[in-house]
Amino acid sequence: AQSVTQLDSQVPVFEEAPVELRCNYSSSVSVYLFWYVQYPNQGLQLLLKYLSGSTLVKGINGFEAEFNKSQTSFHLRKPSVHISDTAEYFCAVTFAGGSYIPTFGRGTSLIVHP
Amino acid sequence: GAVVSQHPSRVICKSGTSVKIECRSLDFQATTMFWYRQFPKKSLMLMATSNEGSKATYEQGVEKDKFLINHASLTLSTLTVTSAHPEDSSFYICSAADPAGVEQYFGPGTRLTVT
Repeated sequence: AQSVTQLDSQVPVFEEAPVELRCNYSSSVSVYLFWYVQYPNQGLQLLLKYLSGSTLVKGINGFEAEFNKSQTSFHLRKPSVHISDTAEYFCAVTFAGGSYIPTFGRGTSLIVHP
Repeated sequence: GAVVSQHPSRVICKSGTSVKIECRSLDFQATTMFWYRQFPKKSLMLMATSNEGSKATYEQGVEKDKFLINHASLTLSTLTVTSAHPEDSSFYICSAADPAGVEQYFGPGTRLTVT
């Protein structure tokens, strides 16, 4: 079965500290991987995506993620977070050969404390 | 990047009335659009896939007679919540698939409150 897992429902961190938000998937076919951020009462904004090529992907707002095929992971990282990074983060996976409708993780709430 | 708009951004309606939400792709043609519902503190739940010129495909458990979807043109899909009830109150988000079909572009969402 194809699935996406975000193990951490909430990640608290202090400002200027590094952070990693975890995303794992299960699939027997090739995948396309996405991270989205959602601020309160707003839609989803694409942070970064992996479609092919380099497994290290850099996105907006200083975020990056690395596609690890052997570990079926696509963890999101930022070396130094800001208060303004407080938001909900969703990992999404599209499975090749299918309908290209993404499967979303349950989301991780990043809470940055001053 | 591609832009998808939604209108209205928020709406309050009385129980029993119908509400229409519009989703537009502003700078590309989208043969396929998607409608999601998001409950508080929850992930997105796909409601239906909207295909231009044909009937929408609804996910299991979604009432097609209650949530009417029309995709009359390559840039516009509409979701009409008919005979709305308080339990229909939610955040509704649409998205449009890029022409290659790999990526989706999301609208800003519509907050529906039924009183």
